[in-house]
Amino acid sequence: NAGVMQNPRHLVRRRGQEARLRCSPMKGHSHVYWYRQLPEEGLKFMVYLQKENIIDESGMPKERFSAEFPKEGPSILRIQQVVRGDSAAYFCASSPPRTGVNEQFFGPGTRLTVL
Amino acid sequence: KQEVTQIPAALSVPEGENLVLNCSFTDSAIYNLQWFRQDPGKGLTSLLLIQSSQREQTSGRLNASLDKSSGRSTLYIAASQPGDSATYLCAVTDDYKLSFGAGTTVTVRA
Repeated sequence: NAGVMQNPRHLVRRRGQEARLRCSPMKGHSHVYWYRQLPEEGLKFMVYLQKENIIDESGMPKERFSAEFPKEGPSILRIQQVVRGDSAAYFCASSPPRTGVNEQFFGPGTRLTVL
Repeated sequence: KQEVTQIPAALSVPEGENLVLNCSFTDSAIYNLQWFRQDPGKGLTSLLLIQSSQREQTSGRLNASLDKSSGRSTLYIAASQPGDSATYLCAVTDDYKLSFGAGTTVTVRA
């Protein structure tokens, strides 16, 4: 059973460009979470999605950031018009349908560098 | 707002010594608590998950305890090895959202 997959692993963008980060959850998992780890800071929750639904996006910046988890295909975190402050590691996690234990399994992350 | 604190921030021990990592949280209304390991430039590996109704979990050389009423968890690693060198993160869940501590960076000297 493959783990959570993220691509690309490293992404370099110039200021003003768009960044698209992809996350494929573990097989059988229908819940996806995105977290951001800024340099020298801890991981912070960004958004929680289920298939075709955004459940909680309270941790996501109001502008330039969006996330989706379509019926088919991976979850996408999209950052428009990137700025240097967006440079960070972005981690995706997934969990199975709620059974009483919400254990989250993390992918290897995408390291975004904005030049 | 949940605040998670990990002490110490860094720890260096000789091989074979037992490790004790501490985690505290401000809001005791948690769903569960997870301990993760993060290697430099890598993702997070889940080590142990303790549900709010449990007091401890064990896996091999790892043992984690949870005292929800006092807002504390402790991760014990017995007989440390150089391969245990990594950053250890504690995270609590309020239903689905993980709140992380800043981590304890452990170095085990051969």
